[in-house]
Amino acid sequence: GQSLEQPSEVTAVEGAIVQINCTYQTSGFYGLSWYQQHDGGAPTFLSYNGLDGLEETGRFSSFLSRSDSYGYLLLQELQMKDSASYFCAVMVDTGGFKTIFGAGTRLFVKA
Amino acid sequence: DAGITQSPRHKVTETGTPVTLRCHQTENHRYMYWYRQDPGHGLRLIHYSYGVKDTDKGEVSDGYSVSRSKTEDFLLTLESATSSQTSVYFCAISESEGFTEAFFGQGTRLTVV
Repeated sequence: GQSLEQPSEVTAVEGAIVQINCTYQTSGFYGLSWYQQHDGGAPTFLSYNGLDGLEETGRFSSFLSRSDSYGYLLLQELQMKDSASYFCAVMVDTGGFKTIFGAGTRLFVKA
Repeated sequence: DAGITQSPRHKVTETGTPVTLRCHQTENHRYMYWYRQDPGHGLRLIHYSYGVKDTDKGEVSDGYSVSRSKTEDFLLTLESATSSQTSVYFCAISESEGFTEAFFGQGTRLTVV
C-alpha cells in the first residue's frame, strides 16, 4: 500500500528554525508537495520537489531524497503566523497519476 | 487567489436526508476533486473529475456520488447522510492529473445529527 508518515505535532520558538519530516512508502513515486493550513482555512500550496535536493522559497525550503524516501520542510525565522498544520503529499504514477496526503503536522510557535 | 468557491460553508442535517455540496471554479481547470478532512486522517479523496461527465472514485467513495455537467461546477451528493459523514469537505482544482499543485476551496463543515 501507499503510506506517508509525518510527526503529529512540533513546537518551536519564534525566530527559530524548525524542520518537519515526511517519510513515504509508495510505488510509482513522482514528487513531493507541501501544503499549509491555518485553523478553519483551506490548504494552500507551499512547494514541490520533483528532483532530489533543496528548493527554497523565501523563509521556507523543502528537501527531497528519493533514495531515502524522505523529505522535509524547513521553516526559518519562525513567526507566530506560521502556527498551522503542514501536510506533505506525494504524487504517484500507478498507471494514472494521483496524490496522497499525509495526516499533517501541527506546528505551534511560541513567543 | 484561485477562483474556487464552495457552498454552503456550513450545514447541519439529519441522518437519512440527502445533501448536496457545490464547488464552483472560474479557472477553467480540467481536474476537480472532493476531499474530506477528519482529525488524524489528513485529506482523503472521495471522488474526482477529469472532465465534463467524467468522474472516478477515490479512496473513501462509499455513500457519496458526484456529478459534473459543466466545467466550472462539481457537485458532491450524500444520498442518505450518516453521522460518520460529519466532516469538513474540501473541493480542489488542478490543471494536471494527480497534481503537484492544487488550489482548494474554503471548505464546507457538515454536521449530521
